[in-house]
Amino acid sequence: DAKTTQPPSMDCAEGRAANLPCNHSTISGNEYVYWYRQIHSQGPQYIIHGLKNNETNEMASLIITEDRKSSTLILPHATLRDTAVYYCIVRFPPNTDKLIFGTGTRLQVFP
Amino acid sequence: GAVVSQHPSRVICKSGTSVKIECRSLDFQATTMFWYRQFPKKSLMLMATSNEGSKATYEQGVEKDKFLINHASLTLSTLTVTSAHPEDSSFYICSAREGGGSYEQYFGPGTRLTVT
Repeated sequence: DAKTTQPPSMDCAEGRAANLPCNHSTISGNEYVYWYRQIHSQGPQYIIHGLKNNETNEMASLIITEDRKSSTLILPHATLRDTAVYYCIVRFPPNTDKLIFGTGTRLQVFP
Repeated sequence: GAVVSQHPSRVICKSGTSVKIECRSLDFQATTMFWYRQFPKKSLMLMATSNEGSKATYEQGVEKDKFLINHASLTLSTLTVTSAHPEDSSFYICSAREGGGSYEQYFGPGTRLTVT
C-alpha cells in the first residue's frame, strides 16, 4: 500500500468547515483512498472512501485531485464531537485486507 | 448494522497472569478479524489477521506464543495475552470483515489492558 502524509494537527472553529489534507503521491491506479477517524479511547470509525471521483456522504466529502496524488477530507460544519484523530489510508481491497494506519491528523474543534 | 463488540472494555491483571479479550460481530458473520494494539498517543499497529477456522497470520515482530488468537466461529475471535507483563499494557482493538466480496472493516470499541 502507498504511504500517506498528513499534518500532525489542525484546529477548526465549531461550525466552520474542516479541511484535512492527505498526500499520497505514490498511489497506484487501483488503490482507493479511505478515511477513518478515532475519537479518544474508542475504536476507529469509517468515514468515507473513493477511487477517482469526489464522494460525499452524510458525514463528509472527499475531494481527490485529478492526478490522485492528494486528497482532502471536508467536514462541512465541524462540531465539538468531531474532535478526533483522522487517518488517511490507501489500499486496494481485493489484494489486501490490511489497514495500515499512519500517524494521522489530530483535529481539535474549538467553541 | 455492522456492530462489533469487545469484552471486557477494560481489564487490570497482575504480571504473569493471562487475560482473554473477546471480539464479536453482532449482526454479521465475520470471515476475517484483525487485532490491533495502540500505545498512548500512537497510531494503531496491526498485530495479526485471523480467518475463521484457520491459524492467525501474525505481523512481523509480534510473538504468536504470547498473543494467542482463536477465531473458532464466524462471530467470535479471542486474543489471549499470556504471561502478561507491564509492557503489554495497551489499548487492544479488533475489527471484523464480512465475507462475500465485502472488504469493509468494522472496528470494536477497544479494550484497555493494564498489567500491574
